[in-house]
Amino acid sequence: DARVTQTPRHKVTEMGQEVTMRCQPILGHNTVFWYRQTMMQGLELLAYFRNRAPLDDSGMPKDRFSAEMPDATLATLKIQPSEPRDSAVYFCASGLVVSGDNTEAFFGQGTRLTVV
Amino acid sequence: AQKVTQAQTEISVVEKEDVTLDCVYETRDTTYYLFWYKQPPSGELVFLIRRNSFDEQNEISGRYSWNFQKSTSSFNFTITASQVVDSAVYFCALSEGGGSEKLVFGKGTKLTVNP
Repeated sequence: DARVTQTPRHKVTEMGQEVTMRCQPILGHNTVFWYRQTMMQGLELLAYFRNRAPLDDSGMPKDRFSAEMPDATLATLKIQPSEPRDSAVYFCASGLVVSGDNTEAFFGQGTRLTVV
Repeated sequence: AQKVTQAQTEISVVEKEDVTLDCVYETRDTTYYLFWYKQPPSGELVFLIRRNSFDEQNEISGRYSWNFQKSTSSFNFTITASQVVDSAVYFCALSEGGGSEKLVFGKGTKLTVNP
């Protein structure tokens, strides 16, 4: 059963610490998304990649957030330094875009981040 | 700019009642896609349906049905004979491309089905 895998599932950290969230997309998918979910803002796109190249990271605070795809099986989202307002659930999703076809995005279970 | 509005923040029904979740969208694109996702209490987002802007046919899948009307920019979701397991937050979303383009989500509707 193919699924998007995110680690860790939960993270509690102190303000100022670096946080790294990892995502393993579904094998063969070429598009990876990072979304953030908060009570106030709902679900919002932070960044997404296609074939490991960033397509849009306009939703991401550039001064402290960074997203990368070191290889096709791993996407990372880093926050340095973390702040209490970064507390949220971070979702990774993946999908496949090929000529003439385009799947829906499949979501991971999320990483619940709490910054104290 | 694209926007999705789910005016119903919370809905509570009794089991076996029918319930409709409303979704209104805004876009300037002529080609776009609409989605519904379900977020159960466990937290994951589960894909339910995708519809493209050229296909206004209603769709039925078991107890679920969807009504897409371009004239009113709406994509409503109806659950027939609701069950306790349907309790979740339901999100409507819009994409200018296919399913693997960025999604703009509504704020969600929390559905509680009571026994």
